[in-house]
Amino acid sequence: EIVMTQSPATLSVSPGEGATLSCWAGQSVSSNLAWYQQKPGQAPRLLIYGASTRATGIPARFSGSGSGTEFTLTITSLQSEDFAIYFCQQYNNWPQGTFGQGTKVEIK
Amino acid sequence: QVQLQESGPGLVKPSQTLSLTCTVSGDSIRRGGYYWSWIRQHPGKGLEWIGYIYYSGDIYYNQSLKSRVTISVDTSKNQFSLKLSSVTAADTAVYYCAREKVGPGSSGSPFDSWGQGSLVIVSS
Repeated sequence: EIVMTQSPATLSVSPGEGATLSCWAGQSVSSNLAWYQQKPGQAPRLLIYGASTRATGIPARFSGSGSGTEFTLTITSLQSEDFAIYFCQQYNNWPQGTFGQGTKVEIK
Repeated sequence: QVQLQESGPGLVKPSQTLSLTCTVSGDSIRRGGYYWSWIRQHPGKGLEWIGYIYYSGDIYYNQSLKSRVTISVDTSKNQFSLKLSSVTAADTAVYYCAREKVGPGSSGSPFDSWGQGSLVIVSS
């Protein structure tokens, strides 16, 4: 099983500021990395796949980068609706996809 | 647009079997091209993949749960189901059904559609 590690656990950001979230894989997952957003009481929503491709309907302020073992999700100019928990997931080691423990982006 | 909806008991006694069903609308499981999955989330924790099923009946389980999990599909009802036996309090979680496109080559794909989730509490 590939262990996914996210940092930080919590990120305090003021609305309008940017945020950078990190995700590391225990071994190379190539670009087979997705990011999800989860709001309280809701299911996760796919934001990014292939490490850097935005899913349908995702605003351009969300961007992903990285390959191999190090990945980054960047959110520019946070909006109120962006405060949520973000998970990364590798799907390279199929079928045993694994998720990170999440980063909570909270209002500063 | 595809929609998934979980259903089943919200309370299960220890040692019994947890049973959930996912009803798919807006897409046909029989069409192929997608794996139909179960994922769970312990309270306040991360996400754990449980297993997949393909319309043909091909199944993949998380090795850590394999001895207790059964996933099945009913293409006539456009549903797939999860059974988890011998449950304990550690199985208390929100259970999601989700869809994953069959990936290219040996890698998978992300989960592009999710159900709302079903909270299952294991308690006597």
